[in-house]
Amino acid sequence: IVLTQSPDTLSLSPGERATLSCRASQSVSSTYLAWYQQKAGQAPRLLIYSASRRAPGIPDRFSGSGSGTDFTLTISRLEPEDFAVYYCQQCVTSSPSFGGGTEVEL
Amino acid sequence: QVRLQESGPGLVKPSQTLSLTCTVSGDSVSTGGYYWNWIRQRPGKGLEWIGYIYNTGATHYNPSLKSRISISSDPSANQFSLRLTSVTAADTAVYYCARDLGRYSPKRCFDLWGRGSLVTVSS
Repeated sequence: IVLTQSPDTLSLSPGERATLSCRASQSVSSTYLAWYQQKAGQAPRLLIYSASRRAPGIPDRFSGSGSGTDFTLTISRLEPEDFAVYYCQQCVTSSPSFGGGTEVEL
Repeated sequence: QVRLQESGPGLVKPSQTLSLTCTVSGDSVSTGGYYWNWIRQRPGKGLEWIGYIYNTGATHYNPSLKSRISISSDPSANQFSLRLTSVTAADTAVYYCARDLGRYSPKRCFDLWGRGSLVTVSS
């Protein structure tokens, strides 16, 4: 399953809403879609799993939605610490794969 | 609090074997019921899942790397390790160890990660 994320880069300001897209090459059960945040020099951090469930400790400004082949990560109001690269990941196949990432930049 | 820490050489020569170890604290690689994974990130590229080991010793690998990789564990040291043979420059990457979110059954998404270990393949 190939995951395509768009846009490649999202230029926004603090306080704005960010909407990131992840499209799968074939249908993915919503149970098996995750989102990660990665800051420069750090490991990815799990934000969302099962398409819409926030991982422990993740602020409620992060939300996930979608089904089938189209999934969305929304950051309701960007905080300065949210500027990072975001990856979606399909967890459905025995070999999980990641999208190419969307950078949210200031 | 569970922590993962990668260790190993930062430089490997082409055609040689890359070996990395992940030391786990706060959980047991042999009795905790989790799946322990290796994931890599090549420069300027996305993330690639390499494989996992379960506490029974069962392993599962990415088919694209299967012929060159092995993952093992050392319960006495609470570690698991990656070996990647016949490396080339294309294997230059940051290698992460990570824990699967699922317990007793893999969810194949990853809730805990090490900080990563940069391995450069160069003569």
